[in-house]
Amino acid sequence: DSGVTQTPKHLITATGQRVTLRCSPRSGDLSVYWYQQSLDQGLQFLIQYYNGEERAKGNILERFSAQQFPDLHSELNLSSLELGDSALYFCASSGGEVDQPQHFGDGTRLSIL
Amino acid sequence: GQNIDQPTEMTATEGAIVQINCTYQTSGFNGLFWYQQHAGEAPTFLSYNVLDGLEEKGRFSSFLSRSKGYSYLLLKELQMKDSASYLCAVRGTYKYIFGTGTRLKVLA
Repeated sequence: DSGVTQTPKHLITATGQRVTLRCSPRSGDLSVYWYQQSLDQGLQFLIQYYNGEERAKGNILERFSAQQFPDLHSELNLSSLELGDSALYFCASSGGEVDQPQHFGDGTRLSIL
Repeated sequence: GQNIDQPTEMTATEGAIVQINCTYQTSGFNGLFWYQQHAGEAPTFLSYNVLDGLEEKGRFSSFLSRSKGYSYLLLKELQMKDSASYLCAVRGTYKYIFGTGTRLKVLA
């Protein structure tokens, strides 16, 4: 158990819809990262928050947004969903120091029908 | 640009030794991480290198050469449970760049 909690585990929805994925980091971790992993693809970095502030952005679509709340949990909002958004979405957390590894949640599997 | 290259797939026999290579080109370098990921599961941390040289952790070792932009993960005494994808990741200033991973199949 990594200590990172992601909900829901599975999500099935239709094109054009909007969903929210939730992540609670490990106790004490200030950094939260979001990744997208499509079938047989690598992890694509989406966005990072540190103690409530956006710190780095990757290849995140404009239809996607995220935030980190004062209690450090984070949400990733995906809107106007397309078939190609079907993927595993991982959240990871770390203490923020450069030598600290990321700890990953079990992911949310998003299926767009 | 930023790029990480790893072989797509490797096959080895139970009990053998396998070396998974990773080459990288990134702007900024604050360390290289190796993760193991079983199919459909979360990546789990294996090792971290920031200085040149070899880091050993039980059956797993990781090597880094910063001047060559090169790392490898060495797995000894392979077990069937080592069948998984192995992800190389470089930390820049804030971002982590992940390779697409090397799928390792361990055969009996």
